[in-house]
Parts: sequence; structure tokens; C-alpha cells
Amino acid sequence: GENVGLHLPTLSVQEGDNSIINCAYSNSASDYFIWYKQESGKGPQFIIDIRSNMDKRQGQRVTVLLNKTVKHLSLQIAATQPGDSAVYFCAENPPKIDDKIIFGKGTRLHILP
Amino acid sequence: EAQVTQNPRYLITVTGKKLTVTCSQNMNHEYMSWYRQDPGLGLRQIYYSMNVEVTDKGDVPEGYKVSRKEKRNFPLILESPSPNQTSLYFCASSHILAGPYEQYFGPGTRLTVT
Repeated sequence: GENVGLHLPTLSVQEGDNSIINCAYSNSASDYFIWYKQESGKGPQFIIDIRSNMDKRQGQRVTVLLNKTVKHLSLQIAATQPGDSAVYFCAENPPKIDDKIIFGKGTRLHILP
Repeated sequence: EAQVTQNPRYLITVTGKKLTVTCSQNMNHEYMSWYRQDPGLGLRQIYYSMNVEVTDKGDVPEGYKVSRKEKRNFPLILESPSPNQTSLYFCASSHILAGPYEQYFGPGTRLTVT
């Protein structure tokens, strides 16, 4: 799609399987983490967020896991569907900066029929 | 329908010709922001606004201006566009209580500067 990087990491998953998208964040003092989904030709869309005082949060068919020890964030999508095909961005809220978030480079999720 | 609209969606222009990309939201959001998206660089914030008449620089503000005279509108101005400003631009908004976390994004404006 026109809105993705040329060398984005790509994850290919069979339809119906679970997807796990990983993200390494940069600042151990970041307080808030967010996942966004960007479908081809569209703007990013908020999926789910998690505060640093939590290690897991569940939404509808999605779960976000936070491992602060290794500065790792993951997004799990249950029973992946064709509509889940998109680029997924993690974002973090840097410490002492309440009014902005920093986006990661993104991962493309490709659904195999 | 709650939405963020941007105009134009596509624009091809020449170096040095001033242009404005409009952004409007109908959700009464206080927070608005502009991002550019480039291959391999992800989304980078250009400017943001916490409310009317309050604007701040993001990570890549050089070559851009913004204004926030009304709550619903947040235009992006390129006084003298250059080819390195060729990019995909997104406007976003959020409620002040949601902070910058749960932003609603517009559909994007593809700008080409020759």
C-alpha cells in the first residue's frame, strides 16, 4: 500500500490462527503504550493501550502484553481474519512529556487464505 | 458521523509555491496534531495543538506552520515547499482527557513537490 515502508517487517499468518506482533520500545521510563492499526489507503486507527503499571490488557479479540524488564510490547490477535490485514504500529509516551507519543516503524500483518 | 477530514487528498505542486492543507474535526476535540509518514521512518509529528491559540512544535517542524484559530480546524501551511516535503500527511485529533493516546486520524494527504 502507499502508506507503508519499503522494508517493513512482515508477519504472515493463516486465517483463523492467532497473530502475535512484537515491538521493542526505547525508553524504560515511558508511562503509556498504544497500538494502532493502519489499513492500506487509510489513516491509523487506535486499537488498545496499556499503562506501565499493568502487564496485560484485553480487548475484543486483542490482548496487549507489556514486559518492562526487556522493554517489550506485544499485540495478540485471536482468530485472525482477512480484515486484520494491515500495518500495526506500537507507540510510547516518553517520560515527562504528557502531550505526545512516539510511533515505532510498524509491522505488516499479511493474512494467508 | 465522527470524523477528521483533510483537503486536498492528493496534491502535486512545484518548489516554492505556498500551499495549505486543511484539517477539520467534528468531535469537539481539544488536541490536534499533524504527522508525516515516510517509508522507513514511520509517523513523525510535525506540530500539535492542545487547544485554540495554543500550538507547539513536534519532532520535525522545520518548513511548516500551523494555526489554531478555531477548535475544529488545524491547517498545515507550507510557505515554500521543497522536494524533501514530499510525503503522506495525516491530521489527528483527540479529547483532552484521552491525551495524545487515542487519536482519531484523517484519511491522509499525499503531497508531491517537484
